[in-house]
Amino acid sequence: AQSVTQLGSHVSVSEGALVLLRCNYSSSVPPYLFWYVQYPNQGLQLLLKYTTGATLVKGINGFEAEFKKSETSFHLTKPSAHMSDAAEYFCAVSSSGGYNKLIFGAGTRLAVHP
Amino acid sequence: ETGVTQSPTHLIKTRGQQVTLRCSSQSGHNTVSWYQQALGQGPQFIFQYYREEENGRGNFPPRFSGLQFPNYSSELNVNALELDDSALYLCASSRDRGRTEAFFGQGTRLTVV
Repeated sequence: AQSVTQLGSHVSVSEGALVLLRCNYSSSVPPYLFWYVQYPNQGLQLLLKYTTGATLVKGINGFEAEFKKSETSFHLTKPSAHMSDAAEYFCAVSSSGGYNKLIFGAGTRLAVHP
Repeated sequence: ETGVTQSPTHLIKTRGQQVTLRCSSQSGHNTVSWYQQALGQGPQFIFQYYREEENGRGNFPPRFSGLQFPNYSSELNVNALELDDSALYLCASSRDRGRTEAFFGQGTRLTVV
């Protein structure tokens, strides 16, 4: 069975500071991993994904994530936070059951202050 | 290329009533999944439809049911509404039923009173 744990339900950074949002997963098969962002009262927008190949993946808005199999982690980073990055971020793993079920973490709310 | 659209955006229902939520999938996508997102939580998978057939279901009771139409649009029906059904319902479409990226709509906010 697959599962996702996001460490830290709230993260606060200063504008211009490094953003680090943590995600650990559990999967019985090679994982497909995703990061989504959700702005208030909106749906989910895909930031980036890892399926196979290069373990460092780059996404939209300057975000990137590194798949580390040995640590079962897929942490999301951005070198310099912007006020517009304030949102809820969800890490997800795709199930292996023959259908496209995403299993989400509980989310991390990112606050960016001046 | 149009994205995933859901209707309505908000609605309020009374406990015991029935509700139907609608979703139009993204162009070129044949698979639709539905998720329930309670306040302060991550989305939970309800079920998936592939070419008009349900091909995967999460841990939700039978009063949650769905349909997918020949144009790949979809409906989520919930009978005998309970207060705990209050949530944001998200529809996602993807190119295939396998482990591909899913694109989400803006959601329908359901409030049960």
